[in-house]
Amino acid sequence: LAKTTQPISMDSYEGQEVNITCSHNNIATNDYITWYQQFPSQGPRFIIQGYKTKVTNEVASLFIPADRKSSTLSLPRVSLSDTAVYYCLVGAYTGNQFYFGTGTSLTVIP
Amino acid sequence: GAGVSQSPRYKVTKRGQDVALRCDPISGHVSLYWYRQALGQGPEFLTYFNYEAQQDKSGLPNDRFSAERPEGSISTLTIQRTEQRDSAMYRCASSLDRAPDTQYFGPGTRLTVL
Repeated sequence: LAKTTQPISMDSYEGQEVNITCSHNNIATNDYITWYQQFPSQGPRFIIQGYKTKVTNEVASLFIPADRKSSTLSLPRVSLSDTAVYYCLVGAYTGNQFYFGTGTSLTVIP
Repeated sequence: GAGVSQSPRYKVTKRGQDVALRCDPISGHVSLYWYRQALGQGPEFLTYFNYEAQQDKSGLPNDRFSAERPEGSISTLTIQRTEQRDSAMYRCASSLDRAPDTQYFGPGTRLTVL
């Protein structure tokens, strides 16, 4: 069962690129990697999902190395509104359990 | 369209009472998930349904917790003989397709057991 490890917190200045790495050493062949964002008093919100290599959407990029034992969420040019907790989630179509990581609390500083 | 809704939004109960938490997923969504989230912690997976079939309940803490989704739509999470340690935010999510499709989370039910 793939569990995840992330840094507890990170700080960044506005306009900087932020990279948050998640370790998932026991990832299974069928597992996908999904990142969620959570603001206080709200439920998590989907950011991006990938299986291997690189995925990019309008808000973020996800980099996954060949061994898939880690992944990096990249947020370009963060703003104050990106201050939130970011979770890495590993799960599979054939697996039935989903474990959120410890979450990384990102604080964007003016 | 309407998102995932949960009711009640807040529930205060006395230790030993039973509580039922309701989740109304997005219409047409196949999968429904229950999580519990303590303050300052990440969501903790409890259980998961595809249509009306409960796929995995190994995340339920003990036999006081149960969940059902009898018609493949609305789901109820029931906690019997509540204890203070059950106090948490209970979150429901649904996804259009089976996991690991994008999960859409509801606002949660804040349960406080006195």
